[in-house]
Amino acid sequence: DAKTTQPNSMESNEEEPVHLPCNHSTISGTDYIHWYRQLPSQGPEYVIHGLTSNVNNRMASLAIAEDRKSSTLILHRATLRDAAVYYCILGAGNMLTFGGGTRLMVKP
Amino acid sequence: ETGVTQTPRHLVMGMTNKKSLKCEQHLGHNAMYWYKQSAKKPLELMFVYNFKEQTENNSVPSRFSPECPNSSHLFLHLHTLQPEDSALYLCASSQEPAGVYEQYFGPGTRLTVT
Repeated sequence: DAKTTQPNSMESNEEEPVHLPCNHSTISGTDYIHWYRQLPSQGPEYVIHGLTSNVNNRMASLAIAEDRKSSTLILHRATLRDAAVYYCILGAGNMLTFGGGTRLMVKP
Repeated sequence: ETGVTQTPRHLVMGMTNKKSLKCEQHLGHNAMYWYKQSAKKPLELMFVYNFKEQTENNSVPSRFSPECPNSSHLFLHLHTLQPEDSALYLCASSQEPAGVYEQYFGPGTRLTVT
């Protein structure tokens, strides 16, 4: 299975943009790049996903490198409610394989 | 609310008990999943069902027995569990295979085996 590498933790200030990086150097041509987040005591929540082009939705933006070996999740203005573990996952076939994720801490 | 419900939310059971976890999705999805999340570990995929047929069993011990009677309902039958099976059990659904489509997760069942 193709794997992703993320920093264990990051800190951000409230109302500032946050860029969460992810490396996936062994990505195959048909793997989608997914981002999920998990707030304390909740199930994971879908954030965004894409294949080759950058994607935007109401929650975040996904910037995908031209060679697809890395991607960045962008939260445009972090709020305290964005404090969570963010997972970058490569999706293939039936499955998403979760790794350890990045714990984002947001300071007021 | 994600459109995926799980009951019960909390369950305490002895090692000799038999219990079942229930998941229901109201999204019209065709694929459903069971995951296990132990303390300080990544989510582990247990089972995948696509159009009611099991398509993945991630080497799960036979004391966990899934059942998918239709595309909206998924059960996880539990018997003779061990204390190390204590974890958060999460159900998810997606329109079709999760590699391409987003998954929606339920709130989970917190299971404690005594």
